[in-house]
Amino acid sequence: AQSVAQPEDQVNVAEGNPLTVKCTYSVSGNPYLFWYVQYPNRGLQFLLKYITGDNLVKGSYGFEAEFNKSQTSFHLKKPSALVSDSALYFCAVRYPKGDYKLSFGAGTTVTVRA
Amino acid sequence: ETGVTQTPRHLVMGMTNKKSLKCEQHLGHNAMYWYKQSAKKPLELMFVYNFKEQTENNSVPSRFSPECPNSSHLFLHLHTLQPEDSALYLCASSQELVGSYNEQFFGPGTRLTVL
Repeated sequence: AQSVAQPEDQVNVAEGNPLTVKCTYSVSGNPYLFWYVQYPNRGLQFLLKYITGDNLVKGSYGFEAEFNKSQTSFHLKKPSALVSDSALYFCAVRYPKGDYKLSFGAGTTVTVRA
Repeated sequence: ETGVTQTPRHLVMGMTNKKSLKCEQHLGHNAMYWYKQSAKKPLELMFVYNFKEQTENNSVPSRFSPECPNSSHLFLHLHTLQPEDSALYLCASSQELVGSYNEQFFGPGTRLTVL
């Protein structure tokens, strides 16, 4: 079964500092990996995905993520965080074959202080 | 906005009530999903429809009954719910289902409270 872990419930950073939200997956093979963000009272919004190719993926709002197959990780990063980046972030994994379902992590709450 | 709308946004119901949640997508997608989001837990996939056909029922209790009359609309009928069913219910859609790497587009959710 595919699964994904977000080891940090909360991440707190100061505005202007780098932001990293961690994600690891515990499956073999070549999964598809996604990041979503959820602002208060809103549904999830797609940020970026890794399918194949370049390990560094760029997405919306200045976010990027790096796929590391040896460490089975897909950490989300932003070089300079904004207060408006404060939200709940979800990592998700999906296999291209067989089980087509998205498996989500429990989420990481990011708070960016001014 | 994502192109997926949900109504109502908030719903309070008693355990003996019958209510329905509605989802509509304006994206021309063929797959639609219901998720349950509870605090501090991963999203739980409830139901999946592909071209109006149900392809997944993730061991959801029968007090939740989905309906997909066409590819653009998805309903979740609620009956005799329990307080532990209180959660945010999210609808999502995607272009395709099997073998696809397309991302899902989510609605804003319905915040359900069962008294």
